[in-house]
Amino acid sequence: EVQLVESGGGLVQPGGSLRLSCAASGFTFSSYAMSWVRQAPGKGLEWISAISGGGVHTFYVDSVKGRFTVSRDNSKDTLYLQMYNLRTEDTALYYCAKEGQEVGPSYFHYWGRGTLVTVSS
Amino acid sequence: DIQLTQSPSSLSASVGDRVAITCRASQSVGSHLNWYQQKPGKPPNLLIYSASNLQSGVPSRFSGSGSGTDFTLTISSLQPEDCATYFCQQSSSSNSFGQGTKLEIK
Repeated sequence: EVQLVESGGGLVQPGGSLRLSCAASGFTFSSYAMSWVRQAPGKGLEWISAISGGGVHTFYVDSVKGRFTVSRDNSKDTLYLQMYNLRTEDTALYYCAKEGQEVGPSYFHYWGRGTLVTVSS
Repeated sequence: DIQLTQSPSSLSASVGDRVAITCRASQSVGSHLNWYQQKPGKPPNLLIYSASNLQSGVPSRFSGSGSGTDFTLTISSLQPEDCATYFCQQSSSSNSFGQGTKLEIK
């Protein structure tokens, strides 16, 4: 059974940093791209970052480029999102999602339950 | 960036009704269009991938159609458990989601 468990969320002040983790199990982690998708309270879904299965290729939405870094440790079956210079508009529930293939156009096959990030002074 | 526009933004229908939700892309996405269902307090659930392929375990009353810029998610006979918000997503150029369609049962 595929499981994705996010952690690392919390309350942080504007300008602060946070690192999210996503522990994966139930599939060959290195064979699949992974993404982070966020959802602000009461709002829609926003894809923010992806990383290929081997970790070579990374992708970001413009609003987080230069502030967020996605990475993965395939020896630990874990996905990360390092977030710097956080803004109030980054407040959201952050989901990690398994994609349907190692790289290229795909879909979000499985989702974790999310970890909440609140940016507030 | 590719923008996805869903219509309607919300709708109310009766059990047994046929329901259609459309998703229009600002430029062609080929068949790289997926549909998700999200219930309150839960993560999204993949329903349809690559425009028309039913994800394993999803009831056959759900179907998807379209290509290029115009896509439709159809529920052939609405059930009470279909009360949810539905999102389309394109993966042709980076990734983006539609704004969502909230479906209520009359």
